[in-house]
Amino acid sequence: QQQVKQSPQSLIVQKGGISIINCAYENTAFDYFPWYQQFPGKGPALLIAIRPDVSEKKEGRFTISFNKSAKQFSLHIMDSQPGDSATYFCAAEETSGSRLTFGEGTQLTVNP
Amino acid sequence: GAVVSQHPSRVICKSGTSVKIECRSLDFQATTMFWYRQFPKQSLMLMATSNEGSKATYEQGVEKDKFLINHASLTLSTLTVTSAHPEDSSFYICSALLWTSTDTQYFGPGTRLTVL
Repeated sequence: QQQVKQSPQSLIVQKGGISIINCAYENTAFDYFPWYQQFPGKGPALLIAIRPDVSEKKEGRFTISFNKSAKQFSLHIMDSQPGDSATYFCAAEETSGSRLTFGEGTQLTVNP
Repeated sequence: GAVVSQHPSRVICKSGTSVKIECRSLDFQATTMFWYRQFPKQSLMLMATSNEGSKATYEQGVEKDKFLINHASLTLSTLTVTSAHPEDSSFYICSALLWTSTDTQYFGPGTRLTVL
């Protein structure tokens, strides 16, 4: 089964804190790992993505850490803000342009 | 760049009627578009992959005669829910594939379908 396991299901952090969301996969053919942010009633928006040839990618307050041997990757949100409160989905893609396999989602709440 | 629109954003229809949802890539051409369905507080479920000029590829368990997909141009794909029933009520989201070095899917804002 091409599955991506995401945890935690929900996460509450204080403003200024670090939010960490983890994902794990089994299919070693996955070669592209994007993270999407979704607000209620809206479509997902691409946040940041990584390929297995690097172990970390940083864009502003968002960082992906990738552990190829463990088949795990995580999203770190530094200096979390109330505006970051949303649902976050990790995903994985096996070949270029093919279907995305999504994690179950993490509902993040950042308290002011 | 890489903007995808959907129309309508919300639609309410009576049971037994058909509803068409449009997905447009506004600033790029998309040979491939995807259609997803999302239930409240759940992840996105891929319904079908739509390729311009050819028949859509449906995921297992998705009725192709009920969810008609047409991808007649490089910027437009449509999903028609035929003979809609209350259980078809859901949030439908499309995405368009932008072919670059990263081959990224960009998502539309979604369409909330309510079938009475």
